[in-house]
Amino acid sequence: QPQLQEWGPGLVKPSDTLSLTCTVSGDSISGSSYYWGWIRQPPGKGLEWIGSVFHSGTTHYTPSLKSRVIISVDPSNNQFSVTLSSVTAADTGLYYCVRHEPLGGPDYWGQGTLVTVS
Amino acid sequence: QTVVTQEPSLTVSPGGTVTLTCASSTGAVTSGYYPNWFQQKPGQAPRALIYSTSNKHSWTPARFSGSLLGGKAALTLSRVQPEDEADYYCLLYHGGVQLWVFGAGTKVTVL
Repeated sequence: QPQLQEWGPGLVKPSDTLSLTCTVSGDSISGSSYYWGWIRQPPGKGLEWIGSVFHSGTTHYTPSLKSRVIISVDPSNNQFSVTLSSVTAADTGLYYCVRHEPLGGPDYWGQGTLVTVS
Repeated sequence: QTVVTQEPSLTVSPGGTVTLTCASSTGAVTSGYYPNWFQQKPGQAPRALIYSTSNKHSWTPARFSGSLLGGKAALTLSRVQPEDEADYYCLLYHGGVQLWVFGAGTKVTVL
């Protein structure tokens, strides 16, 4: 079964860019029919869809974040990444990487990584 | 802005049955919204339970079932056990903008 692991800085300054990477094992991004996505969760609050990417590079973003987010894929290293620019305290939270079918919700999730904007 | 609405909290007795619902501000939820349900316990990542309205993952306990009910997606927990106490989130696909939207979650208390 696939395993996903997020990694990146846990502390980002306001107005800077947040960058996280997800390493996938147990599945091949390049050979997969799945999308690879990011979801976040502010402390004590609910889940928010950020966006996702296909191995071809096709991306879909949630409209409220579209102007600040880029999701990219690196099939050769079986990784995908998210960058979020101009961060504020409202971007603080747990960031999860996930796998999902084109018309299916996430089945496998990473354990999440906490990013604090301060 | 698309809003997905869930009950904030529900309480159920052990061995009982509880139904959670999930509505969209865009109209009646149909199978074309590909409803998903997730369970999240404190300190843990969410776990997928149901996809495409009523399909279970290999790890989903049989007592969990998904359906459409009165224009909403629904998750029914039968024969509830203490370990079912958790937050439950629904996720709907809004095809017009290729957008996945989560509900705010339902906190289920087993008491």
